[in-house]
Parts: sequence; structure tokens; C-alpha cells
Amino acid sequence: QKEVEQNSGPLSVPEGAIASLNCTYSDRGSQSFFWYRQYSGKSPELIMSIYSNGDKEDGRFTAQLNKASQYVSLLIRDSQPSDSATYLCAVTLTGTASKLTFGTGTRLQVTL
Amino acid sequence: KAGVTQTPRYLIKTRGQQVTLSCSPISGHRSVSWYQQTPGQGLQFLFEYFSETQRNKGNFPGRFSGRQFSNSRSEMNVSTLELGDSALYLCASSPQGGLADTQYFGPGTRLTVL
Repeated sequence: QKEVEQNSGPLSVPEGAIASLNCTYSDRGSQSFFWYRQYSGKSPELIMSIYSNGDKEDGRFTAQLNKASQYVSLLIRDSQPSDSATYLCAVTLTGTASKLTFGTGTRLQVTL
Repeated sequence: KAGVTQTPRYLIKTRGQQVTLSCSPISGHRSVSWYQQTPGQGLQFLFEYFSETQRNKGNFPGRFSGRQFSNSRSEMNVSTLELGDSALYLCASSPQGGLADTQYFGPGTRLTVL
């Protein structure tokens, strides 16, 4: 079992729709969770961080964390073509505060 | 604030050579982490430096090494290059490298080994 798992996609959503990206992790002691966006040929840029159970909203983005189910998700409302990118879920596993463990990423395509 | 900078942006080397990559963190950030990104393996952690000390290390061979200077700038060295070392090498900085710290990535160095 991989430490951080994501569906590789592509996930295709029409413009204006809600995109839902999911991530599961194996280490129950994980404490910090991050979503990064990576455009082709570019480096990852932070979208959201979340540390406690529940929802965290920032503009069109909402991160959801459920530690009991070991599950973190990212919702993108009113998806735009500029949101088309690979979304990387990153987790700090137990005892590894400075080390991010990444999923393989989900490629999102927002169609016109 | 200026972001994380990495030099060079692109490198072409041949097998057996060695290479040194440089990373300047965001001003005030003392933790620098290095990652390797390949299509097959994704983003993998190499090592992290804080206050000139390697504090965390990933599962890479000893050919991969690094160091950090007193101004928090960091270098990564790969000796005896192999074809499989072709990758995007990313460095990321954070204030302290703590649990709640966000890591900010530089633009990366694209290494091609021929």
C-alpha cells in the first residue's frame, strides 16, 4: 500500500462545475496535509494546507480532512480552464515534520 | 519577498560526471528540503537541512549529498551520474521545517543525463 494515494485521472469537468479531488493516506499519525498545484513544466505551488478535521475554505477552494477515515479532499468550485493542472496531495507522516510525502497527483482537465 | 531561487535551471551531463545544484531559500527561511521528480516515481524526498545540519534523509544512494551554508543557501551534489538521475530537482524552503510550516518550492533544475 502506498503511503499517499491519489487517482491519477485525468479528471475532466466542464467549466463552472465543481471538481472533487481525493487523497488517502496510510499513516494514522499524520498531522499536516497540503494540496499543491503543478502546471506542466512548472514547480508545485501551494493551494491549501489543513491540519484539523473538518473543512477549510479559501476562495473557490475547500479542503476537507477526515483523520478517522484517513482521507483528505480538495473541492474546486466554479472550475476554470486555468485550473487545468496536476494536483498533488502531500502529507507529513509521523516523525517526519520536514519531509513531505506526495501522492502521484491527479490531472484535472476543465473543458469549455 | 523574493521566492526560492535555483540555479542552474537546466543542465545536461553525461554518465559518470558529477553535478552541483544550488538553492537560495526565501529570506528568513532556515529549512531547505530537496526533492526529485520523475514521471515514473513522482516527487520523492531527498534530504532536509536546517542550521547547516542534515536533519532528515530520504531513501537515495550515497551518491546524492548536500550541504547548507550559514546564510541558509543549500547545494546538492550528485556524483557518478546515471541515466536514471535525469529528473527535475526541486528545492523547497520553510521557516523552521516544523509540522505546521508550509514548504515553498523553487522553479527547479532540469537535469538530463546522456
